[in-house]
Amino acid sequence: NAGVTQTPKFRVLKTGQSMTLLCAQDMNHEYMYWYRQDPGMGLRLIHYSVGEGTTAKGEVPDGYNVSRLKKQNFLLGLESAAPSQTSVYFCASSYSSQGGGVAKNIQYFGAGTRLSVL
Amino acid sequence: KNEVEQSPQNLTAQEGEFITINCSYSVGISALHWLQQHPGGGIVSLFMLSSGKKKHGRLIATINIQEKHSSLHITASHPRDSAVYICAVRPRFIFARGGGADGLTFGKGTHLIIQP
Repeated sequence: NAGVTQTPKFRVLKTGQSMTLLCAQDMNHEYMYWYRQDPGMGLRLIHYSVGEGTTAKGEVPDGYNVSRLKKQNFLLGLESAAPSQTSVYFCASSYSSQGGGVAKNIQYFGAGTRLSVL
Repeated sequence: KNEVEQSPQNLTAQEGEFITINCSYSVGISALHWLQQHPGGGIVSLFMLSSGKKKHGRLIATINIQEKHSSLHITASHPRDSAVYICAVRPRFIFARGGGADGLTFGKGTHLIIQP
């Protein structure tokens, strides 16, 4: 099982450039999440999805867009990258978020994407 | 004030020592997670708990809902336990904080180094 796969692993952008980060999961999970991790701060939720075709804003959504056209894929887009978006980005997925038993609420994380915006 | 506070921020110990990492939170929660982030960056979920105590191998997690406090213990620590340990909570009333309805609120992590 691949679990949660993120591509690319590393990327350097110039200010104003655009890019898309891809997250793919093969566990048939309904829920998918995008987080960013910055030095001295905890992981912060950018956007999330509770199912195919649905997305919602998290704690820090500004400057990002997402799409969930297929259940297994969750894309994170940066339309015009800024240096403040330099970070490590993590995708995660889970069966559900609450209820349904403990095992269904566990989030499985990808390996991360290290993004630098110059 | 952060909703999730971890202590200590950094911990260096000798192989074999009993390790305790603490997590305090300020909001009502429906669940608390402990995660491990390896030096290579990968994040693995260790425990999810809403009451009592859970044990997996040498790892033990406890939670006191009334005190809003959780601890992660490692018995017979080993250098391979060196990692960042992260506490995360799912607030019960998430809309009040303006965040996403389904995400976790994370602590900053505890950087643990176990020396041989």
